[in-house]
Amino acid sequence: DAKTTQPNSMESNEEEPVHLPCNHSTISGTDYIHWYRQLPSQGPEYVIHGLTSNVNNRMASLAIAEDRKSSTLILHRATLRDAAVYYCILKREETSGSRLTFGEGTQLTVNP
Amino acid sequence: DTGVSQNPRHKITKRGQNVTFRCDPISEHNRLYWYRQTLGQGPEFLTYFQNEAQLEKSRLLSDRFSAERPKGSFSTLEIQRTEQGDSAMYLCASSFFAASYEQYFGPGTRLTVT
Repeated sequence: DAKTTQPNSMESNEEEPVHLPCNHSTISGTDYIHWYRQLPSQGPEYVIHGLTSNVNNRMASLAIAEDRKSSTLILHRATLRDAAVYYCILKREETSGSRLTFGEGTQLTVNP
Repeated sequence: DTGVSQNPRHKITKRGQNVTFRCDPISEHNRLYWYRQTLGQGPEFLTYFQNEAQLEKSRLLSDRFSAERPKGSFSTLEIQRTEQGDSAMYLCASSFFAASYEQYFGPGTRLTVT
């Protein structure tokens, strides 16, 4: 599986934007960039995904570098409910039916 | 549809007993995945089904683990002769076919082996 690298932890203040980085220098052309988050004692929750272009949805935005070797998940206004572990994952169809390979993720702390 | 459901939510068993967990995916989804998560780690892939066919099971942790999806709807994960090291959260997810689709996770079953 292609590997991603994320900071272990990040901290933000409530109502401020948060930029969560992810490096994936060995990404291949067929890899989708997926982001999931996991709140304490819950299953992972899908956040957003993209292939080449930047993406927006109601939860977040995903900015993908032109060479696709890095991406950034953007939470526009952090809330206390956004405190979670965020996982950046490369998803490829040929890999076991596009299974998700989770790394350690980034623990986001949101301060009131 | 209310999402992916898993039962039971918690299971406490004694070492050596067999346990079975159930997952009900989102009804339109043809793919179903099982993952295991231990404390402080990200989820680890175990196996997946496309409709009723189990297409990958080499990641199941040992031959004590088995999974079924008999009619392409719900799935069960069985662990025989449980060991203390099996204590973990077992997560189920479902999705449409293809890497471009997201996976939806259930709340998990927390297994404690005493």
